[in-house]
Amino acid sequence: DTGVSQDPRHKITKRGQNVTFRCDPISEHNRLYWYRQTLGQGPEFLTYFQNEAQLEKSRLLSDRFSAERPKGSFSTLEIQRTEQGDSAMYLCASSLGNPIWVGELFFGEGSRLTVL
Amino acid sequence: EDQVTQSPEALRLQEGESSSLNCSYTVSGLRGLFWYRQDPGKGPEFLFTLYSAGEEKEKERLKATLTKKESFLHITAPKPEDSATYLCAVQRGTGGTSYGKLTFGQGTILTVHP
Repeated sequence: DTGVSQDPRHKITKRGQNVTFRCDPISEHNRLYWYRQTLGQGPEFLTYFQNEAQLEKSRLLSDRFSAERPKGSFSTLEIQRTEQGDSAMYLCASSLGNPIWVGELFFGEGSRLTVL
Repeated sequence: EDQVTQSPEALRLQEGESSSLNCSYTVSGLRGLFWYRQDPGKGPEFLFTLYSAGEEKEKERLKATLTKKESFLHITAPKPEDSATYLCAVQRGTGGTSYGKLTFGQGTILTVHP
């Protein structure tokens, strides 16, 4: 399978715990994105990388969220001190973008987070 | 702030009953408008990109069109397997800001009954 893969698919945690999600993009894609989706809503942009550089982070994203993409390959999204409001589906996507074009996004199946 | 509004929120059709989904947008210079399909528990799947008013794209029973303020996704003679949530998204092209962000609408849940 050469699509975008995410791990874990489901995570249940207690409030205050830290969680980390991993995303492996399509190998030739230079851009990697993280989105968050809650029930009945469309995906909401969190951040994106061009190769290993994090080029934008949503101002809605609190300091408890951090993302990395070492060596421009896989990416991790960490949420520290989770809150119940963090419960959502975390979607990773990749694309062949350029400086002014997002390109068609290829999404993974998501990591569903439930904070108790 | 870019804004995308989709209507209706939900649409129930009989198999073979054609209809349209609407996506209204406000964005500072449109670089691209995207349509995605999302099945329950899955990530969105890319369908179309439209770049400028008057453009049309087709794929099987789906046809997407674009004007300066909205886009339509026309579904001709739908089948039950077309049941899904259809998402519209825009990328802005001016303002010196993000070129990496898509702004999505809330989606239209389409159910096609046999």
